[in-house]
Amino acid sequence: AQSVTQLDSQVPVFEEAPVELRCNYSSSVSVYLFWYVQYPNQGLQLLLKYLSGSTLVKGINGFEAEFNKSQTSFHLRKPSVHISDTAEYFCAVTPSNTGGFKTIFGAGTRLFVKA
Amino acid sequence: SAVISQKPSRDICQRGTSLTIQCQVDSQVTMMFWYRQQPGQSLTLIATANQGSEATYESGFVIDKFPISRPNLTFSTLTVSNMSPEDSSIYLCSATPGGQNTEAFFGQGTRLTVV
Repeated sequence: AQSVTQLDSQVPVFEEAPVELRCNYSSSVSVYLFWYVQYPNQGLQLLLKYLSGSTLVKGINGFEAEFNKSQTSFHLRKPSVHISDTAEYFCAVTPSNTGGFKTIFGAGTRLFVKA
Repeated sequence: SAVISQKPSRDICQRGTSLTIQCQVDSQVTMMFWYRQQPGQSLTLIATANQGSEATYESGFVIDKFPISRPNLTFSTLTVSNMSPEDSSIYLCSATPGGQNTEAFFGQGTRLTVV
């Protein structure tokens, strides 16, 4: 079985400050890794994904994440946040042995950017 | 990519009644899923909607409560049957195109309130 742990339920940060949202996963098989963002009253939107290759992946809106296999982590970072980044962020994994289809989500981290 | 239209976007229902949620994808997709997101929580997979056969349900979810249809590669429905206030949640449809594209696309969700 797979599990995803997002270590922070809420992260308050001032505008233009850097931010890191932490994600650890557990799996007995190889996985694909994702970060999704959910703005208030909206569905989920993909920020970035890691399938293979370079462990540093860049996504939309200036976000990036680094896959660390030894630490089973996939932390999300942004060097300078904006008020508009206030949202819920979900880390997710898809076990590659299901054909990469069945996605398991973490509990979410609420990022709150203050002026 | 895949654009998913989900309706209704929200509804308020009386306990004991049933609601059917529709999910339409703008392209043929391999996999479709239904998730539940309870207030302030993460996404929980209800079932995988299989084209032309019975859905595959996750632990804790049963067909009598959440019947699912998928008549073709672009459309699925989820029915929430005999509703109680505990069924008040956001229900999200998700689709994965398949092949090398492992990204899960999401509808905007249906916000259900049972009174």
